[in-house]
Amino acid sequence: DTGVSQNPRHKITKRGQNVTFRCDPISEHNRLYWYRQTLGQGPEFLTYFQNEAQLEKSRLLSDRFSAERPKGSFSTLEIQRTEQGDSAMYLCASSLGRVGGEKLFFGSGTQLSVL
Amino acid sequence: GENVEQHPSTLSVQEGDSAVIKCTYSDSASNYFPWYKQELGKGPQLIIDIRSNVGEKKDQRIAVTLNKTAKHFSLHITETQPEDSAVYFCAAPAYSGAGSYQLTFGKGTKLSVIP
Repeated sequence: DTGVSQNPRHKITKRGQNVTFRCDPISEHNRLYWYRQTLGQGPEFLTYFQNEAQLEKSRLLSDRFSAERPKGSFSTLEIQRTEQGDSAMYLCASSLGRVGGEKLFFGSGTQLSVL
Repeated sequence: GENVEQHPSTLSVQEGDSAVIKCTYSDSASNYFPWYKQELGKGPQLIIDIRSNVGEKKDQRIAVTLNKTAKHFSLHITETQPEDSAVYFCAAPAYSGAGSYQLTFGKGTKLSVIP
């Protein structure tokens, strides 16, 4: 399968713990995005990378969140000191094209539950 | 920033009937309008998109129409089938305030096709 892959699919953690998610984009795509989706809402933009450079972060992304994309391949999203409000589906997407006018291909997401 | 409104939030149709979902947007500079389908436990999948230089695009049973003057676009599904049951999201690019345009999603429409 050559689609976007995300791991783990589900993560349950206790408040205050750190969690890390991984995303493997479609191999030839140079752009990688992280979105967050809560129940009954559409995905909300968090951050994106062009190759290994993190070009933008949303105001939704507090300083407890950090994302990396070493070598411009896979990406990780880490949440430190998790809070119950962090519970959501974290979606990764990749694309090959200009920002804002391009086709985004999403993974199946990581469902985070903070107890 | 961009405001994308989507209606209705839920839609039930009999198998074989047509379904129409409508979205409005606020940023007149938006020029790309995708529609995504999200099935339970999966990430959103792009099903059709349209750019601002055309008014309509069709792909088999799915069509999208765009009215740039009124700033609204619609998804039309004809001859609906049970496998069309899912949540559908519209999206439009919005200026992020940090130099780029990012897709802003509507809140989704849950479509149920009754056999």
